[in-house]
Amino acid sequence: AQSVTQLGSHVSVSEGALVLLRCNYSSSVPPYLFWYVQYPNQGLQLLLKYTTGATLVKGINGFEAEFKKSETSFHLTKPSAHMSDAAEYFCAVSDHNSGYSTLTFGKGTMLLVSP
Amino acid sequence: GAGVSQSPSNKVTEKGKDVELRCDPISGHTALYWYRQSLGQGLEFLIYFQGNSAPDKSGLPSDRFSAERTGGSVSTLTIQRTQQEDSAVYLCASSLTLPGATGIQYFGAGTRLSVL
Repeated sequence: AQSVTQLGSHVSVSEGALVLLRCNYSSSVPPYLFWYVQYPNQGLQLLLKYTTGATLVKGINGFEAEFKKSETSFHLTKPSAHMSDAAEYFCAVSDHNSGYSTLTFGKGTMLLVSP
Repeated sequence: GAGVSQSPSNKVTEKGKDVELRCDPISGHTALYWYRQSLGQGLEFLIYFQGNSAPDKSGLPSDRFSAERTGGSVSTLTIQRTQQEDSAVYLCASSLTLPGATGIQYFGAGTRLSVL
């Protein structure tokens, strides 16, 4: 069984500060890992994904994440926060070896950005 | 269509009534997923369709919940005899399932269900 743990239900940063959202996973097979963002009253939008290959992946809006197998982590970072980054962020893992890819999500982290 | 479309966007119903939620996936996507998003529970997987069949219904919380998909396209999630604990946002997603595909899921905006 897979699981995802996101540390911190809320993270507050100042505009221009580093954003770090933590995600740890457990999976019995090499995972595919995803970060999604959800703005108010909208669906989830894919930020970035890791499947195979390079462990540092870059996504939209200046976000990136690094897959660290030894730490079973996939933390999301952005060097400088913008007000428009305020949203809820979800880390997810998929068991692609099952023939399809049901996602298991973390409980989400709300990012608050102050001026 | 250009994206995953869900209707209605909001639904208010009385306890005990039946509701139907609709999902129109991205054209050509053979896989369709339903999730439930509720406060304190995060996102929970409900059911997966490949074409018109549902090989994984493991997330449906009770026999009051059912779903179907017709023509390999539109899906309907039905909740019978709604209860207050069914209040949540119901999200639909679709994806390609070609060999080697990474299974990226594209989400609709959801249906917010409120059971009074």
